Amino acid sequence: AQSVTQLGSHVSVSEGALVLLRCNYSSSVPPYLFWYVQYPNQGLQLLLKYTSAATLVKGINGFEAEFKKSETSFHLTKPSAHMSDAAEYFCAVSDLGSSNTGKLIFGQGTTLQVKP
Amino acid sequence: DAGVIQSPRHEVTEMGQEVTLRCKPISGHDYLFWYRQTMMRGLELLIYFNNNVPIDDSGMPEDRFSAKMPNASFSTLKIQPSEPRDSAVYFCASRPQGNQETQYFGPGTRLLVL
Repeated sequence: AQSVTQLGSHVSVSEGALVLLRCNYSSSVPPYLFWYVQYPNQGLQLLLKYTSAATLVKGINGFEAEFKKSETSFHLTKPSAHMSDAAEYFCAVSDLGSSNTGKLIFGQGTTLQVKP
Repeated sequence: DAGVIQSPRHEVTEMGQEVTLRCKPISGHDYLFWYRQTMMRGLELLIYFNNNVPIDDSGMPEDRFSAKMPNASFSTLKIQPSEPRDSAVYFCASRPQGNQETQYFGPGTRLLVL
C-alpha cells in the first residue's frame, strides 16, 4: 500500500523567504511522486513530478523538489516566496509502479501563508 | 484546449434531494477520475473510468452514490438521496492513456446539502 504524509498543515513564511514544504511517502514499489497546488476556489494544478529520472525536479513558478529514496522524502522548495504563492499544496504518490493505473494517493495538504 | 469542465460550479440543495454533478474530460483522455475533498478527510478518490468503463469504485462511500460515463466526453456523479454529510467539493480529473503520469483537474463543484 502507498501513503503520503505532509508534515505541517500550515506553513507561514515572509515574502522573499525560503519555502519548504515537507512530504514523506511510503511505497512498496518505486514511486512516482507529484506536487499539486490549489488556489482558492480552483482545481488542482500540477507543479512538478518525479518519475524515476533526475532526482531533482524543477517545476513551474520557481518550485523544485528533490527525491531522496533513503529518507523516503520529496520535499518542495522555493528560494524566495512571493505573495502569489499563497495556496494549498498537495503531495501525491501514484501506483504506476504496481498496478499501472495511475491512481493518485494524496497527502492532507499544506496551506502556505506568505506574509508581506 | 478548454481543460476539464465541470458543472455546476456550485450547488445548494436540501437533504433528500437528488444531486447530479457533470464532467467533460479533456478530449482524447482515456481515464476519468472523481474525487471528493472535505476538511476532515482531504482528497479522496471515489471512482475512476478507463475508456468509459468503471475500473475501481471502492472509494464510493455508499449506495447513494453512483457514477456513469455513457461516452468518452461525459460523466456524471449522482447522489440520491443527498445528506448534509455529502457537502464537499467534488473534482473530476482526466488523463491520457499514453501519458500515465499527469492528471488534469477540473475546477470542482462545491456542494452544500442543507
